[in-house]
Amino acid sequence: KQEVTQIPAALSVPEGENLVLNCSFTDSAIYNLQWFRQDPGKGLTSLLLIQSSQREQTSGRLNASLDKSSGRSTLYIAASQPGDSATYLCAVRLSQGGSEKLVFGKGTKLTVNP
Amino acid sequence: SAVISQKPSRDICQRGTSLTIQCQVDSQVTMMFWYRQQPGQSLTLIATANQGSEATYESGFVIDKFPISRPNLTFSTLTVSNMSPEDSSIYLCSVEDPGEAFFGQGTRLTVV
Repeated sequence: KQEVTQIPAALSVPEGENLVLNCSFTDSAIYNLQWFRQDPGKGLTSLLLIQSSQREQTSGRLNASLDKSSGRSTLYIAASQPGDSATYLCAVRLSQGGSEKLVFGKGTKLTVNP
Repeated sequence: SAVISQKPSRDICQRGTSLTIQCQVDSQVTMMFWYRQQPGQSLTLIATANQGSEATYESGFVIDKFPISRPNLTFSTLTVSNMSPEDSSIYLCSVEDPGEAFFGQGTRLTVV
């Protein structure tokens, strides 16, 4: 059974700091991995999608990497801002029971202090 | 990317009552997905809704508790029936485009 783990569960940093969020998964047979942002009590906003054949994706100050063989992904946030404060979720897409499913981690709650 | 409108955004309901959550997508999609996020937990798939057929429910979720409608390719509803405090969660509608998931704003449900 695929399990997705995100460490740390919470992270507090001063504004301007570069930071890395971690996501690990137990089964490397994934189609892709997606990073999301979730503001308190709200829905998910897609940040980056990495296909299983890719090593990294970049969008603005965000860079996500994928090492499928070791079951790891990282989300790098450069020059963090208070507006980056949110919970960051990763999810892997895999085949399960004849269809594709998303398996989510519990997220890392990020606080960027001004 | 798909734009998904979900309502209500939040509600406080009495136990024993039912709440229907609506999800509208700005483009036609084959499948729509309903998730639940309990406090402090990750997202769990409730069911997949296909237009013109019965929804497919995941283990632990049943149609009597979470009836779903899918009248056309842009709209779906999820009803949370006979609610108890354990149903207090964020409920999320999702579509895929393809291989990439997009979500609505979520419905924050509190049952008292």
